[in-house]
Amino acid sequence: GAGVSQSPSNKVTEKGKDVELRCDPISGHTALYWYRQRLGQGLEFLIYFQGNSAPDKSGLPSDRFSAERTGESVSTLTIQRTQQEDSAVYLCASSTERDSPLHFGNGTRLTVT
Amino acid sequence: QKEVEQDPGPLSVPEGAIVSLNCTYSNSAFQYFMWYRQYSRKGPELLMYTYSSGNKEDGRFTAQVDKSSKYISLFIRDSQPSDSATYLCAMSASSSNTGKLIFGQGTTLQVKP
Repeated sequence: GAGVSQSPSNKVTEKGKDVELRCDPISGHTALYWYRQRLGQGLEFLIYFQGNSAPDKSGLPSDRFSAERTGESVSTLTIQRTQQEDSAVYLCASSTERDSPLHFGNGTRLTVT
Repeated sequence: QKEVEQDPGPLSVPEGAIVSLNCTYSNSAFQYFMWYRQYSRKGPELLMYTYSSGNKEDGRFTAQVDKSSKYISLFIRDSQPSDSATYLCAMSASSSNTGKLIFGQGTTLQVKP
C-alpha cells in the first residue's frame, strides 16, 4: 500500500474498556504523528515519534493515553479505561523527515458508549 | 481565545464561483502554513504548503499569507462540485518539528452544480 494505513476503521467500545489503535506509516517515513479530531473540530496534536522515540508527547490528554512505535514502523495508540469524551476520530500521519508535509491515514472512528 | 480561528461555514457556492477561505491566528511565531482538504470519512490531504509571507499558486488554488495581519487565505478559482469538502488551515512554529501543527476548526464547502 502506498498510503498510511490505520486499523480498525471503526471501533465501538464500552466505557471503562481499553482500546488499541494501530497505524502503519508509509514505508521509509521516519516521523509519525497521532492527532485526534472531535466532531466538527479541527485536529488536536497528541504525540510525535521520530524513529522509535517520542520527543514530544505534550498533547496526550491524560495518563490513560499512551503510544509506542516499534521497528521505526508500526505505532499503536492505547487508551485505557475509555470515557465518553474519548469518542473521536484518531488520525495517524507520517512524513519523510521532521520538516516535511504530513500524509494522513483515514483514521479510526472511536465511539465510547 | 483559540490560537487559530476559522469560520466553520457551511459555505455554499455555485459551480464556477471563486471561493475564499480564511484563517486568523494569534501566535506570531508561526512560520509554516498549510491548507488541507478533507472529504467525509477520509483523512486530510495536503493542498498547499507555504513558508512565511507571500503567495503560492497551484492550478486553481492560490494560498496567501500575511504575517503582519496574522491572516491566511485559500482561493479556489472555477470551483467544481468535486471541491466540496472541509478545508482545514494548519500552521507550525517549529523549524525542527513542522509536523506538530495547530489546526483551525475547518470550513465546510459545498459547490452546487
